[in-house]
Amino acid sequence: GQNIDQPTEMTATEGAIVQINCTYQTSGFNGLFWYQQHAGEAPTFLSYNVLDGLEEKGRFSSFLSRSKGYSYLLLKELQMKDSASYLCAVRVWQAGTALIFGKGTTLSVSS
Amino acid sequence: DAGVTQSPTHLIKTRGQQVTLRCSPKSGHDTVSWYQQALGQGPQFIFQYYEEEERQRGNFPDRFSGHQFPNYSSELNVNALLLGDSALYLCASSHKDRGNTGELFFGEGSRLTVL
Repeated sequence: GQNIDQPTEMTATEGAIVQINCTYQTSGFNGLFWYQQHAGEAPTFLSYNVLDGLEEKGRFSSFLSRSKGYSYLLLKELQMKDSASYLCAVRVWQAGTALIFGKGTTLSVSS
Repeated sequence: DAGVTQSPTHLIKTRGQQVTLRCSPKSGHDTVSWYQQALGQGPQFIFQYYEEEERQRGNFPDRFSGHQFPNYSSELNVNALLLGDSALYLCASSHKDRGNTGELFFGEGSRLTVL
């Protein structure tokens, strides 16, 4: 089966850096995605990794190690508006473009 | 440019009833996927429609069915509702031929409560 694990909750302060980890056990891996979901809102796309390494996009970076089944999302210069749920999702070849989501990590940023 | 729109935003049903949820994809998108998100959980894939046909299906019973219309909009139908069907139902759209990054555009969802 497919399994994705990420911490349930994390807390951090404004201006800090936080790393949200995600581990996965899947067959037919075809990409890893991070989505942000504010309470009561739709998930929005943050990043996509299909090859090993770091992808940087402004204050957000995402890393992937396929051999370890591991990814992290790095958020720098945290702002209050970054308080949200962060969803790790995996795509596998046998499921086409469907995504398998983890349960999400709720990040709370305080001043 | 309208994003993905879903209706209704909230609804309450009782056990055994049937419900229909509606989704209009983002302009230019031709593929619609439906996800179920229970409270405190990540979204779970229900099925995906392209060219008016169900192309892929997740691990959901036959009580869950759908349809895609020629204008790419879609409906999700759930029959014989159970308490466990209470969840946020998310519609996501994409374009089949526009790259393979997997970026999905989600609607705000329809919050279904089954009593």
